[in-house]
Amino acid sequence: DAGITQSPRYKITETGRQVTLMCHQTWSHSYMFWYRQDLGHGLRLIYYSAAADITDKGEVPDGYVVSRSKTENFPLTLESATRSQTSVYFCASSIAGELFFGEGSRLTVL
Amino acid sequence: QQPVQSPQAVILREGEDAVINCSSSKALYSVHWYRQKHGEAPVFLMILLKGGEQKGHEKISASFNEKKQQSSLYLTASQLSYSGTYFCGTDASGSRLTFGEGTQLTVNP
Repeated sequence: DAGITQSPRYKITETGRQVTLMCHQTWSHSYMFWYRQDLGHGLRLIYYSAAADITDKGEVPDGYVVSRSKTENFPLTLESATRSQTSVYFCASSIAGELFFGEGSRLTVL
Repeated sequence: QQPVQSPQAVILREGEDAVINCSSSKALYSVHWYRQKHGEAPVFLMILLKGGEQKGHEKISASFNEKKQQSSLYLTASQLSYSGTYFCGTDASGSRLTFGEGTQLTVNP
């Protein structure tokens, strides 16, 4: 099916572990984004990408790494997870200014 | 810098109207509105572009005051399905959105 998919949907990990959240889109949209949403709050931009091999920092990039070797994939890696990174992570792609969000990855860091 | 939304929460009865406001301290290219239901991803409602062009939902309207960097979302004759959290996103860079903290809207029968 066309769309944007995230995996895993749920993840529990321990402090200090590396975690990678995957994001895949089937539309070939140029722009892709990673947002985090803490309970009861808005969305904060972590990183975004204008095209393959082009990435840029958002509002809260510390502790995260991204890559975009192919247009359709935009993985987000937490190099050494901390409790403050417990959150719901949304990947999105964009066309004509409209964001299309994935279903989210709920990450808990113990 | 994050836009400021008001009110933080509003409770309506079905059929009533509501206005949600969004204000930015930066000059904006556009303002975007999204609705998020509990446990789900945000869903696009509308874009308001500098210059007056609008794109989006038929039953929901909005305005964008470019001089004041303010936008308002108008929900008329509210339906139960309008319940959710509404977020404005502002674009001051031409390439990315910064979201407000959201306005929680509850529509009761």
